Amino acid sequence: DQQVKQNSPSLSVQEGRISILNCDYTNSMFDYFLWYKKYPAEGPTFLISISSIKDKNEDGRFTVFLNKSAKHLSLHIVPSQPGDSAVYFCAASADPFEYGNKLVFGAGTILRVKS
Amino acid sequence: NAGVTQTPKFQVLKTGQSMTLQCAQDMNHEYMSWYRQDPGMGLRLIHYSVGAGITDQGEVPNGYNVSRSTTEDFPLRLLSAAPSQTSVYFCASSPRQGRSPLHFGNGTRLTVT
Repeated sequence: DQQVKQNSPSLSVQEGRISILNCDYTNSMFDYFLWYKKYPAEGPTFLISISSIKDKNEDGRFTVFLNKSAKHLSLHIVPSQPGDSAVYFCAASADPFEYGNKLVFGAGTILRVKS
Repeated sequence: NAGVTQTPKFQVLKTGQSMTLQCAQDMNHEYMSWYRQDPGMGLRLIHYSVGAGITDQGEVPNGYNVSRSTTEDFPLRLLSAAPSQTSVYFCASSPRQGRSPLHFGNGTRLTVT
């Protein structure tokens, strides 16, 4: 049973518009969430994170929103650029002192930004 | 900066063969881990280590062994390869056991025939 779900396998967006990638989780012990971006033939690279004590975190064009009651988070990319085309993975972790720095990943969403 | 280096990039094995996937990091990270990526399943944790001499199992450890004799290296051994182990394998490290994002290598694509 997947604890982190990304229900949209793919998303296509026009350059300059907003991209919204969604992620749901089921484990209420998760309290730290990350987004990774992955290009073909490369490893995932860290994009942005959010702790459960916050509901929003921004870094330039990237904003992550967390809705704890709904166990849902989303990544907003504004404005979207062709270079943002990649696979985006949502990941979650629980208390590292009890569970270690183990990330649980979603299946990923392929984002295509059309120019 | 090399970061996390994985070798080889590609490997083809026959069923029953054994091999070791190499992983080295030059960032003096205490925490290292191995993930496999399969279509529709994201990345799943195989084994991890919180420091030299300490290893533990992740979500999908069967068929794999690890050891951590140094801080820098964390090899993954396939004891007797099976077609189900066809996957892309990623090694990752972080500065400490805690809220640090993982740094990933570029992966090893393994095919078992």
